[in-house]
Amino acid sequence: NAGVMQNPRHLVRRRGQEARLRCSPMKGHSHVYWYRQLPEEGLKFMVYLQKENIIDESGMPKERFSAEFPKEGPSILRIQQVVRGDSAAYFCASSPVNQLDNGYTFGSGTRLTVV
Amino acid sequence: SQKIEQNSEALNIQEGKTATLTCNYTNYSPAYLQWYRQDPGRGPVFLLLIRENEKEKRKERLKVTFDTTLKQSLFHITASQPADSATYLCALEGSTLTFGKGTMLLVSP
Repeated sequence: NAGVMQNPRHLVRRRGQEARLRCSPMKGHSHVYWYRQLPEEGLKFMVYLQKENIIDESGMPKERFSAEFPKEGPSILRIQQVVRGDSAAYFCASSPVNQLDNGYTFGSGTRLTVV
Repeated sequence: SQKIEQNSEALNIQEGKTATLTCNYTNYSPAYLQWYRQDPGRGPVFLLLIRENEKEKRKERLKVTFDTTLKQSLFHITASQPADSATYLCALEGSTLTFGKGTMLLVSP
């Protein structure tokens, strides 16, 4: 039973390009969360999704960032026209419906570097 | 605004001692609090959850306390080992989990 799978592990983009980060939740988990972590900073919440629904996107920048969790396939975090400040580690987590006793299960992250 | 504070300075202790990490929060009334471990280059790993009506929770060498009056949680690792060296994050419940910045623990042999 694989955990949360994120790919790619490392992604290098030039300024102005698009970055697409993928997350496959743990089997049986229907809730997906994206977090961003900058060096020396904590994990910052970005967006919370269920299948085909964005539940909470209060942490997501209004421009250039979007997220989806389609009926089939992984959740995608898309960053358009990347800038140097987007360089960070992006973590995806998943959880089952209304079950908190085991916390969130995190993936190993995607490290985005914008050059 | 809501704030979670963890000691930003690394905690250095000798193997075999008890490590105690602190998580303080303001402007929150969480129903539960969680602790995670994060190793360099990896995602956080869930350790323990404690609810507001629980004073203490234990799991093997780990113990967590939750004082809703002081707005504080303490995380203890007894008989610490070098393998316990990592960054430990507390997280508070809301519509989603909000994380502190974490405290790095270094256990030397």
